[in-house]
Amino acid sequence: QKEVEQDPGPLSVPEGAIVSLNCTYSNSAFQYFMWYRQYSRKGPELLMYTYSSGNKEDGRFTAQVDKSSKYISLFIRDSQPSDSATYLCAMSAEGNEKLTFGTGTRLTIIP
Amino acid sequence: DTEVTQTPKHLVMGMTNKKSLKCEQHMGHRAMYWYKQKAKKPPELMFVYSYEKLSINESVPSRFSPECPNSSLLNLHLHALQPEDSALYLCASSTRQGAYNEQFFGPGTRLTVL
Repeated sequence: QKEVEQDPGPLSVPEGAIVSLNCTYSNSAFQYFMWYRQYSRKGPELLMYTYSSGNKEDGRFTAQVDKSSKYISLFIRDSQPSDSATYLCAMSAEGNEKLTFGTGTRLTIIP
Repeated sequence: DTEVTQTPKHLVMGMTNKKSLKCEQHMGHRAMYWYKQKAKKPPELMFVYSYEKLSINESVPSRFSPECPNSSLLNLHLHALQPEDSALYLCASSTRQGAYNEQFFGPGTRLTVL
Protein backbone atom coordinates (compact mmCIF):
# COMPACT_ATOMS: atom_id res chain seq x y z
CA GLN A 1 0.00 0.00 0.00
CA LYS A 2 1.30 3.47 -0.93
CA GLU A 3 1.70 5.98 1.88
CA VAL A 4 -0.41 8.50 -0.06
CA GLU A 5 -3.22 7.54 -2.43
CA GLN A 6 -4.69 9.96 -4.95
CA ASP A 7 -7.11 9.23 -7.79
CA PRO A 8 -5.18 10.04 -10.99
CA GLY A 9 -8.33 10.92 -12.92
CA PRO A 10 -8.61 12.35 -15.48
CA LEU A 11 -11.43 14.48 -14.10
CA SER A 12 -13.46 16.71 -16.43
CA VAL A 13 -16.06 19.17 -15.14
CA PRO A 14 -17.96 22.09 -16.72
CA GLU A 15 -16.90 25.64 -16.05
CA GLY A 16 -18.44 27.06 -12.88
CA ALA A 17 -18.77 23.69 -11.14
CA ILE A 18 -17.37 22.89 -7.71
CA VAL A 19 -14.40 20.55 -7.94
CA SER A 20 -13.45 18.16 -5.14
CA LEU A 21 -9.99 16.59 -5.10
CA ASN A 22 -8.95 14.10 -2.43
CA CYS A 23 -6.04 12.17 -0.97
CA THR A 24 -5.88 9.48 1.66
CA TYR A 25 -2.78 8.54 3.61
CA SER A 26 -1.62 5.85 5.98
CA ASN A 27 1.20 7.50 7.98
CA SER A 28 -0.28 9.00 11.15
CA ALA A 29 2.94 11.02 11.65
CA PHE A 30 2.03 13.38 8.80
CA GLN A 31 1.26 16.84 10.18
CA TYR A 32 1.81 19.18 7.25
CA PHE A 33 -0.41 19.01 4.19
CA MET A 34 0.02 20.82 0.90
CA TRP A 35 -1.71 21.09 -2.43
CA TYR A 36 0.30 21.93 -5.53
CA ARG A 37 -0.98 22.86 -8.99
CA GLN A 38 1.18 21.89 -11.94
CA TYR A 39 0.55 23.07 -15.47
CA SER A 40 1.88 20.96 -18.32
CA ARG A 41 5.69 21.13 -18.59
CA LYS A 42 5.96 23.58 -15.64
CA GLY A 43 7.09 23.28 -12.02
CA PRO A 44 4.56 22.67 -9.23
CA GLU A 45 3.03 25.82 -7.70
CA LEU A 46 2.11 25.77 -4.01
CA LEU A 47 -1.64 26.47 -3.66
CA MET A 48 -2.53 25.65 -0.07
CA TYR A 49 -0.64 24.73 3.08
CA THR A 50 -2.34 23.36 6.20
CA TYR A 51 -0.98 22.24 9.54
CA SER A 52 -2.78 19.40 11.33
CA SER A 53 -6.58 19.16 11.10
CA GLY A 54 -9.01 21.85 10.02
CA ASN A 55 -10.00 24.01 7.10
CA LYS A 56 -8.21 26.77 5.27
CA GLU A 57 -9.72 29.05 2.65
CA ASP A 58 -7.99 31.22 0.05
CA GLY A 59 -10.22 32.81 -2.55
CA ARG A 60 -11.92 30.06 -4.56
CA PHE A 61 -9.84 27.33 -2.91
CA THR A 62 -10.60 25.51 0.35
CA ALA A 63 -8.35 22.86 1.88
CA GLN A 64 -9.67 20.43 4.48
CA VAL A 65 -7.73 18.00 6.63
CA ASP A 66 -9.37 15.22 8.65
CA LYS A 67 -6.57 13.50 10.54
CA SER A 68 -8.94 11.06 12.25
CA SER A 69 -9.86 9.67 8.83
CA LYS A 70 -6.43 10.31 7.28
CA TYR A 71 -8.19 12.19 4.47
CA ILE A 72 -7.48 15.55 2.88
CA SER A 73 -9.48 17.49 0.31
CA LEU A 74 -9.15 20.50 -1.96
CA PHE A 75 -12.30 22.24 -3.14
CA ILE A 76 -12.32 24.66 -6.06
CA ARG A 77 -15.40 26.86 -6.34
CA ASP A 78 -16.55 28.55 -9.56
CA SER A 79 -14.02 26.56 -11.55
CA GLN A 80 -12.37 28.25 -14.53
CA PRO A 81 -10.66 26.83 -17.64
CA SER A 82 -7.42 28.25 -16.23
CA ASP A 83 -7.78 25.76 -13.35
CA SER A 84 -7.10 22.93 -15.80
CA ALA A 85 -3.90 21.34 -14.52
CA THR A 86 -2.57 18.43 -12.49
CA TYR A 87 -3.16 18.77 -8.74
CA LEU A 88 -0.70 17.08 -6.41
CA CYS A 89 -1.23 16.54 -2.72
CA ALA A 90 1.90 16.38 -0.56
CA MET A 91 2.51 15.85 3.12
CA SER A 92 5.30 15.57 5.66
CA ALA A 93 5.90 14.65 9.28
CA GLU A 94 7.06 17.04 12.02
CA GLY A 95 10.68 18.05 11.48
CA ASN A 96 11.00 15.89 8.37
CA GLU A 97 12.44 17.52 5.26
CA LYS A 98 10.94 14.91 2.94
CA LEU A 99 7.61 15.46 1.21
CA THR A 100 5.51 12.47 0.23
CA PHE A 101 3.47 13.18 -2.88
CA GLY A 102 0.28 11.68 -4.23
CA THR A 103 0.32 10.61 -7.85
CA GLY A 104 -1.57 13.74 -8.95
CA THR A 105 -5.07 14.24 -10.42
CA ARG A 106 -5.41 15.62 -13.95
CA LEU A 107 -8.26 18.12 -14.00
CA THR A 108 -9.87 19.65 -17.10
CA ILE A 109 -12.45 22.45 -16.84
CA ILE A 110 -14.65 22.48 -19.92
CA PRO A 111 -15.75 25.98 -21.10
CA ASP B 1 11.68 38.18 -4.45
CA THR B 2 9.55 35.08 -3.83
CA GLU B 3 10.67 32.75 -6.56
CA VAL B 4 13.07 29.96 -7.31
CA THR B 5 14.88 30.31 -10.64
CA GLN B 6 16.47 27.52 -12.65
CA THR B 7 18.80 27.56 -15.63
CA PRO B 8 18.85 26.39 -18.31
CA LYS B 9 15.18 25.80 -19.17
CA HIS B 10 16.07 23.08 -21.64
CA LEU B 11 19.19 20.95 -22.00
CA VAL B 12 20.10 18.31 -24.55
CA MET B 13 23.24 16.31 -23.88
CA GLY B 14 25.02 13.21 -25.08
CA MET B 15 25.91 10.35 -22.80
CA THR B 16 29.57 11.41 -22.65
CA ASN B 17 28.93 15.09 -21.89
CA LYS B 18 29.37 16.94 -18.62
CA LYS B 19 26.83 19.63 -17.85
CA SER B 20 25.45 21.47 -14.82
CA LEU B 21 22.01 22.64 -13.73
CA LYS B 22 21.73 25.77 -11.63
CA CYS B 23 19.14 26.85 -9.08
CA GLU B 24 18.90 30.14 -7.19
CA GLN B 25 16.62 31.58 -4.50
CA HIS B 26 16.73 34.88 -2.62
CA MET B 27 14.02 34.17 -0.05
CA GLY B 28 16.50 33.43 2.75
CA HIS B 29 15.49 29.77 2.71
CA ARG B 30 17.99 27.41 4.36
CA ALA B 31 16.87 24.15 2.79
CA MET B 32 17.15 23.40 -0.92
CA TYR B 33 16.09 20.31 -2.84
CA TRP B 34 16.60 18.55 -6.16
CA TYR B 35 13.76 16.47 -7.58
CA LYS B 36 13.40 14.43 -10.74
CA GLN B 37 10.01 14.21 -12.43
CA LYS B 38 9.08 11.85 -15.24
CA ALA B 39 5.99 12.44 -17.37
CA LYS B 40 2.68 11.92 -15.54
CA LYS B 41 4.46 11.03 -12.31
CA PRO B 42 4.94 13.04 -9.10
CA PRO B 43 8.34 14.56 -8.28
CA GLU B 44 10.89 12.14 -6.83
CA LEU B 45 13.29 13.51 -4.23
CA MET B 46 16.98 13.22 -5.11
CA PHE B 47 18.92 15.42 -2.66
CA VAL B 48 18.31 17.79 0.24
CA TYR B 49 20.70 20.46 1.47
CA SER B 50 20.03 21.95 4.88
CA TYR B 51 22.16 24.93 5.94
CA GLU B 52 24.44 24.21 2.95
CA LYS B 53 25.15 20.66 4.08
CA LEU B 54 23.90 17.56 2.28
CA SER B 55 21.32 16.02 4.61
CA ILE B 56 19.51 13.55 2.33
CA ASN B 57 20.74 11.55 -0.66
CA GLU B 58 18.01 9.25 -1.90
CA SER B 59 20.46 6.63 -3.23
CA VAL B 60 20.98 8.63 -6.41
CA PRO B 61 23.58 7.28 -8.89
CA SER B 62 26.97 8.98 -8.71
CA ARG B 63 26.56 10.36 -12.23
CA PHE B 64 24.48 13.03 -10.46
CA SER B 65 26.59 15.23 -8.18
CA PRO B 66 24.99 18.04 -6.15
CA GLU B 67 26.77 21.11 -4.86
CA CYS B 68 25.63 23.96 -2.63
CA PRO B 69 28.17 26.81 -2.94
CA ASN B 70 26.19 29.13 -0.64
CA SER B 71 22.77 29.52 0.93
CA SER B 72 21.23 30.93 -2.26
CA LEU B 73 22.68 28.60 -4.88
CA LEU B 74 22.31 24.93 -5.67
CA ASN B 75 23.95 23.11 -8.57
CA LEU B 76 23.49 19.65 -10.01
CA HIS B 77 26.48 18.36 -11.98
CA LEU B 78 25.73 15.75 -14.62
CA HIS B 79 28.19 13.28 -16.12
CA ALA B 80 27.83 10.13 -18.22
CA LEU B 81 24.04 10.17 -18.06
CA GLN B 82 21.79 7.55 -19.58
CA PRO B 83 18.78 8.12 -21.86
CA GLU B 84 16.49 7.04 -18.98
CA ASP B 85 17.73 10.08 -17.04
CA SER B 86 15.75 12.29 -19.40
CA ALA B 87 13.19 14.10 -17.23
CA LEU B 88 12.16 17.43 -15.73
CA TYR B 89 14.62 18.36 -12.96
CA LEU B 90 13.06 20.54 -10.31
CA CYS B 91 14.69 22.61 -7.62
CA ALA B 92 12.79 23.66 -4.49
CA SER B 93 13.50 25.59 -1.31
CA SER B 94 11.93 25.94 2.13
CA THR B 95 12.47 28.00 5.26
CA ARG B 96 13.44 25.26 7.71
CA GLN B 97 12.27 27.59 10.47
CA GLY B 98 10.61 25.53 13.18
CA ALA B 99 9.02 22.47 11.61
CA TYR B 100 7.88 24.16 8.41
CA ASN B 101 8.37 22.26 5.21
CA GLU B 102 6.44 24.50 2.83
CA GLN B 103 8.46 23.94 -0.33
CA PHE B 104 8.53 26.35 -3.26
CA PHE B 105 9.48 24.93 -6.63
CA GLY B 106 11.27 26.43 -9.58
CA PRO B 107 10.06 26.01 -13.18
CA GLY B 108 12.44 23.11 -13.83
CA THR B 109 15.05 22.17 -16.41
CA ARG B 110 13.83 19.78 -19.09
CA LEU B 111 16.74 17.42 -19.75
CA THR B 112 17.04 15.17 -22.78
CA VAL B 113 19.87 12.63 -22.90
CA LEU B 114 20.65 11.28 -26.34
